Amino acid sequence: NAGVTQTPKFQVLKTGQSMTLQCAQDMNHNSMYWYRQDPGMGLRLIYYSASEGTTDKGEVPNGYNVSRLNKREFSLRLESAAPSQTSVYFCASSLFGASNEQFFGPGTRLTVL
Amino acid sequence: AQSVTQLDSQVPVFEEAPVELRCNYSSSVSVYLFWYVQYPNQGLQLLLKYLSGSTLVESINGFEAEFNKSQTSFHLRKPSVHISDTAEYFCAVSPPRNAGNMLTFGGGTRLMVKP
Repeated sequence: NAGVTQTPKFQVLKTGQSMTLQCAQDMNHNSMYWYRQDPGMGLRLIYYSASEGTTDKGEVPNGYNVSRLNKREFSLRLESAAPSQTSVYFCASSLFGASNEQFFGPGTRLTVL
Repeated sequence: AQSVTQLDSQVPVFEEAPVELRCNYSSSVSVYLFWYVQYPNQGLQLLLKYLSGSTLVESINGFEAEFNKSQTSFHLRKPSVHISDTAEYFCAVSPPRNAGNMLTFGGGTRLMVKP
């Protein structure tokens, strides 16, 4: 049982490049989330997927898109990376009706030059 | 809507000393309460949670938190910290029945345990 996995662990992009961050969970959870973590700002929700087939914007969605590929996988895409998107990105998942606890992946550290 | 305030961004403390990390929240409905811990270069892990019942909840590594409804607080305490407790701690709240199991996080408190 791997829990929540994220790839890649590290990435360096140039301004304007695109990339997709991958996330998968093997806990049969309904809901999945993408957060970004910046110094002094805690975690901010980018997008979430309450259930397979649905996605919704969080607090800071601009510059990002998501795809809930199936129940296990939830990807985050940066179409044209900007230096302001330099951050640590966390994926999380949760089982509806089970105390609302979220389980987090190890994170992806992204630098945009 | 909910909000969470962690009053201290950094808390330096000597090893074996007691510590309290403060968390206050605002909500118009009842909430579940959580403390997560993030060790350096890792993801967040659940430390403890309050759902209902006894207002004092404990973790397996000696932390405890007390839910105080009148003061809308959920402070985290440990009577004697270890170097290994050095980490960032996040308080979070969630209405019990919300679509998507959404959590609202505080800004985090960095606990720095010194020898």
